[in-house]
Amino acid sequence: AQKVTQAQTEISVVEKEDVTLDCVYETRDTTYYLFWYKQPPSGELVFLIRRNSFDEQNEISGRYSWNFQKSTSSFNFTITASQVVDSAVYFCALRGSGGSNYKLTFGKGTLLTVNP
Amino acid sequence: DTGVSQNPRHKITKRGQNVTFRCDPISEHNRLYWYRQTLGQGPEFLTYFQNEAQLEKSRLLSDRFSAERPKGSFSTLEIQRTEQGDSAMYLCASSLLPSRNTEAFFGQGTRLTVV
Repeated sequence: AQKVTQAQTEISVVEKEDVTLDCVYETRDTTYYLFWYKQPPSGELVFLIRRNSFDEQNEISGRYSWNFQKSTSSFNFTITASQVVDSAVYFCALRGSGGSNYKLTFGKGTLLTVNP
Repeated sequence: DTGVSQNPRHKITKRGQNVTFRCDPISEHNRLYWYRQTLGQGPEFLTYFQNEAQLEKSRLLSDRFSAERPKGSFSTLEIQRTEQGDSAMYLCASSLLPSRNTEAFFGQGTRLTVV
């Protein structure tokens, strides 16, 4: 079975603060894929990043960075110098390989509020 | 707009009525997925199609739910005899065949309220 845990239900920060969203996953697949999605109030899930299990290189994209630690089964997401537009629910998700390659297993999400 | 499109965006229906939602995927995507999201939860997988074939259905998909994807293009999700527990956001997504470089793209969802 696959499982994704986002322990932080809600986070509130002031603009320009850095914030890290935690994600811990469980899977028996040796090859798997991790994702982060952003869900603004409009409802659409916006794809942010995909990380393959065989590539542990961390990634930075502008103010966003992701820290993949296979040893601790974590895939954390950091927003540097947060902005009000970053306010949304953020979901971490896992997709297996082989027979389970067809679906995403999501965490419950973290509601991020960035206050001016 | 070349993203995933869902209609309607909102639907309010009385308990016992039938409802149908439509999803238009990204045109070159051969996989199409339906997810359901309730308040405060992450999306949960319902079913998916590869071209016109429905290949997997979750246990969440009761007999009152049916999905189709004729000709491998758009898809419809029908709920018969709606119940209050069906109230949720129904999300559609599409992707190319899974590979190391594949991600699913989601539509804006259809929010169903059963009264």
